Amino acid sequence: DTAVSQTPKYLVTQMGNDKSIKCEQNLGHDTMYWYKQDSKKFLKIMFSYNNKELIINETVPNRFSPKSPDKAHLNLHINSLELGDSAVYFCASSQEGPSGPQHFGDGTRLSIL
Amino acid sequence: TQLLEQSPQFLSIQEGENLTVYCNSSSVFSSLQWYRQEPGEGPVLLVTVVTGGEVKKLKRLTFQFGDARKDSSLHITAAQPGDTGLYLCAGLIKAAGNKLTFGGGTRVLVKP
Repeated sequence: DTAVSQTPKYLVTQMGNDKSIKCEQNLGHDTMYWYKQDSKKFLKIMFSYNNKELIINETVPNRFSPKSPDKAHLNLHINSLELGDSAVYFCASSQEGPSGPQHFGDGTRLSIL
Repeated sequence: TQLLEQSPQFLSIQEGENLTVYCNSSSVFSSLQWYRQEPGEGPVLLVTVVTGGEVKKLKRLTFQFGDARKDSSLHITAAQPGDTGLYLCAGLIKAAGNKLTFGGGTRVLVKP
């Protein structure tokens, strides 16, 4: 069974569109995250939720809105997509917060045309 | 300026050779994690180090945490093609808040 699964794996869309990425973890972890990995492979945290509550909100444009319907799910909605949003977005979860091991999904490669 | 610097950015070696990857910061780490990422997949945790001077071994991989907890190294002995991947260090730095800060990664290619 996949521990952290995110869909879709690939997302190709036009500038200006709105899209969502879904993430689910079956590890029973309390904390979930969204990370962005750019073309130079820098991985940067965007958001963190602990038991459905937002605890980290980095300097991310407000076009990005995370939603956690329950502690096993953390979705990411992006409005008015821009060229600079092209990247790989990773969902992750951990039991002990950021000091504990992060379990990552396989990523969603977002390409903006 | 990155809080965490990794070096080298890229390393290409022959099977059987040894290699070392470095992770440095001007800030003190509360703890530091090493991950390996393969193409099309998410990073996978290799080890967490917490205590200054700590050394951990994982088969042919040896991880060291600097005494001052500002640097770490990953040494691979007798590298194999299966070691190929992107090695990422990630540290908890108080100055950066309670979140993991990742380095830019070292891409390792082990040729058969």
